[in-house]
Amino acid sequence: QKEVEQNSGPLSVPEGAIASLNCTYSDRVSQSFFWYRQYSGKSPELIMSIYSNGDKEDGRFTAQLNKASQYVSLLIRDSQPSDSATYLCAVREAGTALIFGKGTTLSVSS
Amino acid sequence: EAQVTQNPRYLITVTGKKLTVTCSQNMNHEYMSWYRQDPGLGLRQIYYSMNVEVTDKGDVPEGYKVSRKEKRNFPLILESPSPNQTSLYFCASSPQGLRSWETQYFGPGTRLLVL
Repeated sequence: QKEVEQNSGPLSVPEGAIASLNCTYSDRVSQSFFWYRQYSGKSPELIMSIYSNGDKEDGRFTAQLNKASQYVSLLIRDSQPSDSATYLCAVREAGTALIFGKGTTLSVSS
Repeated sequence: EAQVTQNPRYLITVTGKKLTVTCSQNMNHEYMSWYRQDPGLGLRQIYYSMNVEVTDKGDVPEGYKVSRKEKRNFPLILESPSPNQTSLYFCASSPQGLRSWETQYFGPGTRLLVL
Protein backbone atom coordinates (compact mmCIF):
# COMPACT_ATOMS: atom_id res chain seq x y z
CA GLN A 1 0.00 0.00 0.00
CA LYS A 2 1.54 3.24 -1.11
CA GLU A 3 1.41 5.91 1.54
CA VAL A 4 1.93 9.60 1.97
CA GLU A 5 2.51 10.66 5.55
CA GLN A 6 2.03 14.08 7.10
CA ASN A 7 1.81 15.30 10.67
CA SER A 8 -1.80 16.26 11.24
CA GLY A 9 -0.91 19.23 13.41
CA PRO A 10 -2.13 21.69 14.25
CA LEU A 11 1.01 23.60 13.48
CA SER A 12 0.82 27.00 15.09
CA VAL A 13 3.10 29.86 14.09
CA PRO A 14 2.98 33.61 14.77
CA GLU A 15 2.37 36.05 11.94
CA GLY A 16 5.58 36.77 10.05
CA ALA A 17 7.28 33.50 11.00
CA ILE A 18 8.30 30.65 8.70
CA ALA A 19 5.94 27.67 8.63
CA SER A 20 7.52 24.34 7.73
CA LEU A 21 5.32 21.50 6.55
CA ASN A 22 6.70 18.03 5.96
CA CYS A 23 5.68 14.98 4.00
CA THR A 24 7.18 11.54 3.42
CA TYR A 25 6.14 9.00 0.84
CA SER A 26 6.66 5.28 0.46
CA ASP A 27 6.79 4.71 -3.30
CA ARG A 28 10.33 5.16 -4.60
CA VAL A 29 9.17 5.50 -8.19
CA SER A 30 6.95 8.48 -7.49
CA GLN A 31 7.45 11.11 -10.14
CA SER A 32 5.53 14.23 -9.21
CA PHE A 33 4.88 16.00 -5.95
CA PHE A 34 2.28 18.59 -5.10
CA TRP A 35 1.13 20.79 -2.28
CA TYR A 36 -2.52 21.78 -2.07
CA ARG A 37 -4.12 24.28 0.27
CA GLN A 38 -7.64 23.65 1.50
CA TYR A 39 -9.68 26.14 3.47
CA SER A 40 -12.38 24.75 5.71
CA GLY A 41 -15.39 23.66 3.68
CA LYS A 42 -13.70 24.45 0.36
CA SER A 43 -12.11 22.37 -2.36
CA PRO A 44 -8.33 21.89 -2.53
CA GLU A 45 -6.30 24.29 -4.64
CA LEU A 46 -2.85 23.58 -6.00
CA ILE A 47 -0.15 25.93 -4.70
CA MET A 48 3.11 24.19 -5.61
CA SER A 49 4.39 21.35 -7.76
CA ILE A 50 7.91 19.93 -7.83
CA TYR A 51 9.43 17.20 -9.96
CA SER A 52 13.18 17.16 -9.35
CA ASN A 53 15.45 17.22 -6.31
CA GLY A 54 16.16 20.57 -4.76
CA ASP A 55 14.17 23.69 -4.06
CA LYS A 56 11.47 25.44 -6.03
CA GLU A 57 10.39 28.92 -5.01
CA ASP A 58 7.19 30.75 -5.85
CA GLY A 59 6.63 33.97 -3.93
CA ARG A 60 6.48 33.20 -0.22
CA PHE A 61 6.33 29.45 -0.87
CA THR A 62 9.29 27.10 -1.29
CA ALA A 63 8.93 23.41 -2.01
CA GLN A 64 11.85 21.12 -1.27
CA LEU A 65 12.26 17.61 -2.63
CA ASN A 66 14.72 14.91 -1.60
CA LYS A 67 13.99 11.72 -3.51
CA ALA A 68 16.74 9.74 -1.80
CA SER A 69 15.08 10.38 1.55
CA GLN A 70 11.57 10.23 0.04
CA TYR A 71 10.81 13.55 1.61
CA VAL A 72 9.08 16.68 0.38
CA SER A 73 8.46 19.85 2.35
CA LEU A 74 6.77 23.22 2.01
CA LEU A 75 8.10 26.38 3.59
CA ILE A 76 5.87 29.42 3.92
CA ARG A 77 7.81 32.59 4.64
CA ASP A 78 6.28 35.63 6.31
CA SER A 79 3.23 33.61 7.31
CA GLN A 80 -0.07 35.48 7.28
CA PRO A 81 -3.36 34.71 9.05
CA SER A 82 -4.80 34.07 5.57
CA ASP A 83 -2.39 31.12 5.27
CA SER A 84 -4.33 29.33 8.01
CA ALA A 85 -5.66 26.24 6.26
CA THR A 86 -5.04 22.53 5.84
CA TYR A 87 -2.13 21.70 3.55
CA LEU A 88 -2.29 18.47 1.60
CA CYS A 89 0.77 16.75 0.21
CA ALA A 90 0.09 14.67 -2.90
CA VAL A 91 2.33 12.28 -4.78
CA ARG A 92 1.78 10.96 -8.26
CA GLU A 93 2.97 7.47 -8.89
CA ALA A 94 3.53 5.98 -12.31
CA GLY A 95 0.28 6.11 -14.22
CA THR A 96 -2.41 8.53 -13.24
CA ALA A 97 -3.18 7.84 -9.57
CA LEU A 98 -2.61 10.76 -7.21
CA ILE A 99 -2.11 9.77 -3.57
CA PHE A 100 -2.87 12.38 -0.91
CA GLY A 101 -1.61 12.65 2.63
CA LYS A 102 -4.10 13.33 5.41
CA GLY A 103 -3.09 16.96 5.61
CA THR A 104 -1.48 19.28 8.13
CA THR A 105 -3.55 22.03 9.70
CA LEU A 106 -1.69 25.33 9.92
CA SER A 107 -2.79 28.12 12.21
CA VAL A 108 -1.15 31.54 11.90
CA SER A 109 -1.87 33.87 14.78
CA SER A 110 -1.81 37.65 14.43
CA GLU B 1 -15.39 30.49 -16.99
CA ALA B 2 -13.47 27.23 -16.59
CA GLN B 3 -15.14 25.15 -13.94
CA VAL B 4 -16.13 21.77 -12.58
CA THR B 5 -19.69 21.58 -11.33
CA GLN B 6 -21.19 19.01 -9.01
CA ASN B 7 -24.80 18.35 -8.17
CA PRO B 8 -26.25 18.16 -5.67
CA ARG B 9 -24.04 20.09 -3.27
CA TYR B 10 -25.77 18.62 -0.23
CA LEU B 11 -27.73 15.39 0.03
CA ILE B 12 -29.35 13.50 2.87
CA THR B 13 -30.58 10.04 1.99
CA VAL B 14 -31.39 6.69 3.58
CA THR B 15 -29.59 3.40 3.43
CA GLY B 16 -30.20 1.48 0.22
CA LYS B 17 -31.73 4.27 -1.85
CA LYS B 18 -29.79 4.57 -5.09
CA LEU B 19 -28.34 7.97 -5.83
CA THR B 20 -26.20 9.68 -8.46
CA VAL B 21 -23.90 12.64 -7.99
CA THR B 22 -23.24 14.41 -11.26
CA CYS B 23 -19.97 16.01 -12.29
CA SER B 24 -19.47 18.14 -15.36
CA GLN B 25 -16.48 20.09 -16.68
CA ASN B 26 -16.36 22.66 -19.48
CA MET B 27 -12.63 22.54 -20.23
CA ASN B 28 -12.54 19.55 -22.59
CA HIS B 29 -10.31 17.70 -20.11
CA GLU B 30 -9.45 14.06 -20.69
CA TYR B 31 -8.85 13.07 -17.06
CA MET B 32 -11.56 13.08 -14.45
CA SER B 33 -11.53 11.70 -10.91
CA TRP B 34 -13.73 11.22 -7.90
CA TYR B 35 -12.41 11.60 -4.35
CA ARG B 36 -13.91 11.29 -0.94
CA GLN B 37 -12.64 13.19 2.06
CA ASP B 38 -13.14 12.04 5.63
CA PRO B 39 -11.77 13.46 8.89
CA GLY B 40 -8.52 11.76 9.82
CA LEU B 41 -8.37 9.88 6.53
CA GLY B 42 -7.64 12.65 4.09
CA LEU B 43 -8.56 12.71 0.42
CA ARG B 44 -8.87 9.28 -1.18
CA GLN B 45 -9.43 8.52 -4.83
CA ILE B 46 -12.51 6.44 -5.64
CA TYR B 47 -12.37 6.15 -9.43
CA TYR B 48 -10.68 7.92 -12.26
CA SER B 49 -11.16 8.11 -16.00
CA MET B 50 -8.51 8.77 -18.61
CA ASN B 51 -11.00 9.41 -21.38
CA VAL B 52 -14.44 8.46 -22.69
CA GLU B 53 -15.28 4.84 -21.90
CA VAL B 54 -11.99 4.40 -19.99
CA THR B 55 -12.32 4.15 -16.21
CA ASP B 56 -10.27 2.56 -13.47
CA LYS B 57 -10.45 1.97 -9.74
CA GLY B 58 -8.74 4.21 -7.27
CA ASP B 59 -8.01 3.41 -3.66
CA VAL B 60 -11.56 3.01 -2.35
CA PRO B 61 -13.90 1.89 -5.15
CA GLU B 62 -16.10 -0.49 -3.15
CA GLY B 63 -19.76 0.51 -3.19
CA TYR B 64 -19.37 2.97 -6.06
CA LYS B 65 -19.84 2.93 -9.81
CA VAL B 66 -18.91 5.43 -12.47
CA SER B 67 -19.44 5.88 -16.17
CA ARG B 68 -17.85 8.10 -18.79
CA LYS B 69 -20.10 8.19 -21.81
CA GLU B 70 -19.28 11.80 -22.66
CA LYS B 71 -16.05 13.66 -22.19
CA ARG B 72 -17.57 16.40 -20.05
CA ASN B 73 -19.53 14.22 -17.60
CA PHE B 74 -18.40 11.73 -14.99
CA PRO B 75 -21.27 10.73 -12.67
CA LEU B 76 -20.71 8.86 -9.42
CA ILE B 77 -23.33 6.24 -8.65
CA LEU B 78 -24.09 4.71 -5.27
CA GLU B 79 -26.32 1.73 -6.01
CA SER B 80 -27.09 0.96 -2.36
CA PRO B 81 -25.68 3.67 -0.10
CA SER B 82 -24.63 2.79 3.42
CA PRO B 83 -23.83 5.04 6.40
CA ASN B 84 -20.08 4.48 5.92
CA GLN B 85 -20.40 6.35 2.62
CA THR B 86 -21.29 9.51 4.49
CA SER B 87 -18.54 11.84 3.35
CA LEU B 88 -17.50 14.92 1.40
CA TYR B 89 -17.06 14.07 -2.28
CA PHE B 90 -14.97 15.97 -4.80
CA CYS B 91 -14.86 15.60 -8.54
CA ALA B 92 -11.77 16.81 -10.38
CA SER B 93 -10.61 17.14 -13.96
CA SER B 94 -7.31 17.77 -15.69
CA PRO B 95 -5.97 17.79 -19.23
CA GLN B 96 -3.88 15.03 -20.69
CA GLY B 97 -0.13 15.54 -20.68
CA LEU B 98 3.04 15.21 -18.66
CA ARG B 99 2.16 18.04 -16.33
CA SER B 100 -1.58 17.50 -16.34
CA TRP B 101 -1.83 17.41 -12.57
CA GLU B 102 -0.63 21.01 -12.37
CA THR B 103 -3.94 22.08 -13.82
CA GLN B 104 -6.26 19.78 -11.95
CA TYR B 105 -9.49 21.58 -11.19
CA PHE B 106 -11.62 20.49 -8.27
CA GLY B 107 -15.36 20.86 -8.07
CA PRO B 108 -16.96 22.56 -5.06
CA GLY B 109 -17.75 19.29 -3.29
CA THR B 110 -20.88 17.31 -2.43
CA ARG B 111 -21.64 16.64 1.20
CA LEU B 112 -23.51 13.35 1.55
CA LEU B 113 -25.20 12.03 4.66
CA VAL B 114 -26.56 8.47 4.59
CA LEU B 115 -28.92 7.64 7.45
